[in-house]
Amino acid sequence: DTEVTQTPKHLVMGMTNKKSLKCEQHMGHRAMYWYKQKAKKPPELMFVYSYEKLSINESVPSRFSPECPNSSLLNLHLHALQPEDSALYLCASSQPGGAGDQETQYFGPGTRLLVL
Amino acid sequence: DAKTTQPTSMDCAEGRAANLPCNHSTISGNEYVYWYRQIHSQGPQYIIHGLKNNETNEMASLIITEDRKSSTLILPHATLRDTAVYYCISVYNFNKFYFGSGTKLNVKP
Repeated sequence: DTEVTQTPKHLVMGMTNKKSLKCEQHMGHRAMYWYKQKAKKPPELMFVYSYEKLSINESVPSRFSPECPNSSLLNLHLHALQPEDSALYLCASSQPGGAGDQETQYFGPGTRLLVL
Repeated sequence: DAKTTQPTSMDCAEGRAANLPCNHSTISGNEYVYWYRQIHSQGPQYIIHGLKNNETNEMASLIITEDRKSSTLILPHATLRDTAVYYCISVYNFNKFYFGSGTKLNVKP
């Protein structure tokens, strides 16, 4: 099973709202990722968690707050977003520390976010 | 991580082989080449990866040149469902995937 699930599928929020995106995987992977994808652009890495610790933050604004409560779950808390933050938010997971080429990332279907 | 360059778009007739090129001329010896595809508004789907040798799986074949400066993804019998954006990524640090612009493959009946 190589499934990564994301909820909700769609989200509309105002600029003063607080919302959260959720990602879950049951493949035993210990690395999880958040990517942002604007329309007609490639995905851009935002955050990486490795063994439940934040290992990479690609200079993402503080209005995006990631959380990894356990090895299967990854959340992205959203607060005071701007309309330009509207995008597809993708979660991925992989098994870190593998021998050479064992770190294929598996992606979820994404959450399409619209900020009004 | 090395930068990859791909053609913006390609057409392929249904049932024919689709050959998608990727240039990664600055790739280092430890960097793998990964291929993903993204069908409209879905998450990227893993296809195949390799380091030096050619690779084949149930989805595709990956041909890497001897100098490793370029590679070609081959879909042997393209179908309409293979219409997607195909991304070639060179990966050194496995935590960091940097997607290039990708190639939009249009499979036509």
